[in-house]
Amino acid sequence: AQKVTQAQTEISVVEKEDVTLDCVYETRDTTYYLFWYKQPPSGELVFLIRRNSFDEQNEISGRYSWNFQKSTSSFNFTITASQVVDSAVYFCALRRFNTDKLIFGTGTRLQVFP
Amino acid sequence: DADVTQTPRNRITKTGKRIMLECSQTKGHDRMYWYRQDPGLGLRLIYYSFDVKDINKGEISDGYSVSRQAQAKFSLSLESAIPNQTALYFCATSPGGHDYEQYFGPGTRLTVT
Repeated sequence: AQKVTQAQTEISVVEKEDVTLDCVYETRDTTYYLFWYKQPPSGELVFLIRRNSFDEQNEISGRYSWNFQKSTSSFNFTITASQVVDSAVYFCALRRFNTDKLIFGTGTRLQVFP
Repeated sequence: DADVTQTPRNRITKTGKRIMLECSQTKGHDRMYWYRQDPGLGLRLIYYSFDVKDINKGEISDGYSVSRQAQAKFSLSLESAIPNQTALYFCATSPGGHDYEQYFGPGTRLTVT
């Protein structure tokens, strides 16, 4: 069975703190894809990153970074020097090779206070 | 202009009414999807379409139907709305292939009273 677990329901930090959002996935497939999406208070879903299972290289994009570790089935997301505009619900998702279905975690609500 | 648009953005309807949610895209993608989001449950797939003639059920299709009128348009219908269909509905598109992501519309907040 495929599953994505985001154990942190809600995280609160003060601006400029670093914060890591955890994502643990389950799959027996050797080829799969992992994603992070951001849902700001306005409600839309914004694509952040895609990773395929053969690419374990960590990714950095500005203040955002992602740590993909197949050994622990984790794809964690770190925001460095958080800002109020980072306040949102963040979803991790998994897609099996040759399927269209995205399996979402239940999301982590991040609140960044000034 | 947004690449994926949804109408209406908000809708309140009564139990038993038929309602249609519409999605249009200008990305030129063949694949389109409908998801619903419930608090604490993430997003779940209702239906998806590879092209105009290829429509597939997702994990929670009961109580819903869809129509792919053109490559750019994918509608979701609730034939007889019930209160537990109150949710946030998202349309998404993708180019298909292997290594791709899905692009989401702004969502439609539906309330069934």
